[in-house]
Amino acid sequence: QVQLQESGPGLVKPSETLSLTCNVSGGSISSGGHYWGWIRQPPGKGLEWIGYIYYHGHTYYNPSLTSQYRLSVDTSKNQFSLKVSSVTAADTAVYYCARGQLGGDNADYYFDDWGQGTLVTVSS
Amino acid sequence: EIVLTQSPGTVSLSPGERATLSCRASQSVSNNYLAWYQQKPGQAPRLLMYGASSRATGVPDRFSGSGSVTDFSLTISRLEPEDFAVYYCQQYGRSPLTFGGGTKVEIK
Repeated sequence: QVQLQESGPGLVKPSETLSLTCNVSGGSISSGGHYWGWIRQPPGKGLEWIGYIYYHGHTYYNPSLTSQYRLSVDTSKNQFSLKVSSVTAADTAVYYCARGQLGGDNADYYFDDWGQGTLVTVSS
Repeated sequence: EIVLTQSPGTVSLSPGERATLSCRASQSVSNNYLAWYQQKPGQAPRLLMYGASSRATGVPDRFSGSGSVTDFSLTISRLEPEDFAVYYCQQYGRSPLTFGGGTKVEIK
């Protein structure tokens, strides 16, 4: 089990870029075997997967979302990050980072460890 | 993408009662690659089940998962006070992974 901790601004203005970082402790991102993901939850609503990244930089994004999302990884700091460009009020949500566990052959991932989440509000 | 529909939206039960939550998929979920999460107010989701019926580490055995193909269930045999929460299913058998809309288990 690893510990994940999100950090970033609680308030972002519309049209700006939101930047969030997830610090991982208790295990190394570089050890491989896991993807590292972001999931968000608008207030009072359900969970929406944004994307995930492997330690060598391979990314996969939710194709249902627009192209405003970018993931990156910094193995030297054992952390990974999410950037959301041109934010609107619809991007107001709690953002969670999580560790993805491969479900099996030809499968996608489920999430076995989660950060506590960080609330981001988009407002002028 | 596979759409997951959870029912009921809310269920009101008393401690000690049995809870059965449903998760129905719009397409077959390969190899029963379905997970369940529990979320309490102000907390992150917690993995309960994966592979439809395997309990995650530390999950009490009053939680059980079953089902296959498109119909899955999470059963809580006897509700404890700490079990009142929202439960989400997630399929990972086909990309993109998707979540259901959640079922809230509230105290009657």
